[in-house]
Amino acid sequence: GQSLEQPSEVTAVEGAIVQINCTYQTSGFYGLSWYQQHDGGAPTFLSYNALDGLEETGRFSSFLSRSDSYGYLLLQELQMKDSASYFCAVRGGRAGGFKTIFGAGTRLFVKA
Amino acid sequence: EAGVAQSPRYKIIEKRQSVAFWCNPISGHATLYWYQQILGQGPKLLIQFQNNGVVDDSQLPKDRFSAERLKGVDSTLKIQPAKLEDSAVYLCASSQREVGTDTQYFGPGTRLTVL
Repeated sequence: GQSLEQPSEVTAVEGAIVQINCTYQTSGFYGLSWYQQHDGGAPTFLSYNALDGLEETGRFSSFLSRSDSYGYLLLQELQMKDSASYFCAVRGGRAGGFKTIFGAGTRLFVKA
Repeated sequence: EAGVAQSPRYKIIEKRQSVAFWCNPISGHATLYWYQQILGQGPKLLIQFQNNGVVDDSQLPKDRFSAERLKGVDSTLKIQPAKLEDSAVYLCASSQREVGTDTQYFGPGTRLTVL
């Protein structure tokens, strides 16, 4: 089966850097995604890592270590609007039967 | 480009009633997903379609939930009969490819309240 673990809450100060970790278990790993969801809104895609290493997109970066079944999302220069829930999602399975499983989410609070 | 459309946005029903949700994915997206998101939890995949075929429905409570995607475009998700624990947001998403660097685009969701 597939499972993910991520912290339930993280609090940081505006302008700071925060890292949200995610560990996963899956058979047939294909990639790890990150999504952002504001209260009352729909999840929006942030990043996808299929290979080891760091992917950078503006203020957001995502890292993957396949050997450690571990990834993280790094948010730099935090802004108040970054207060939201962040979900890691693992894509796994086998050809013809790939499935994406979402973690329970990390609620990020950004304080002034 | 139009996003994923869902209707209705809100629905309130009593337990044991039936309800149906509709989703229109982004044009050209072959893969369509239905998720259930209970407050404070992550989205839970109910069913995944590739064109009009089912890829995965292992977490779909088949005794009460059904879904179809006729002609590989629009999709409907039905609950009959509804239970209190079905109260959740039902999210539809679509993507262009099943594997690779694909991105799931989510619709606004349907918030279901079962009384």
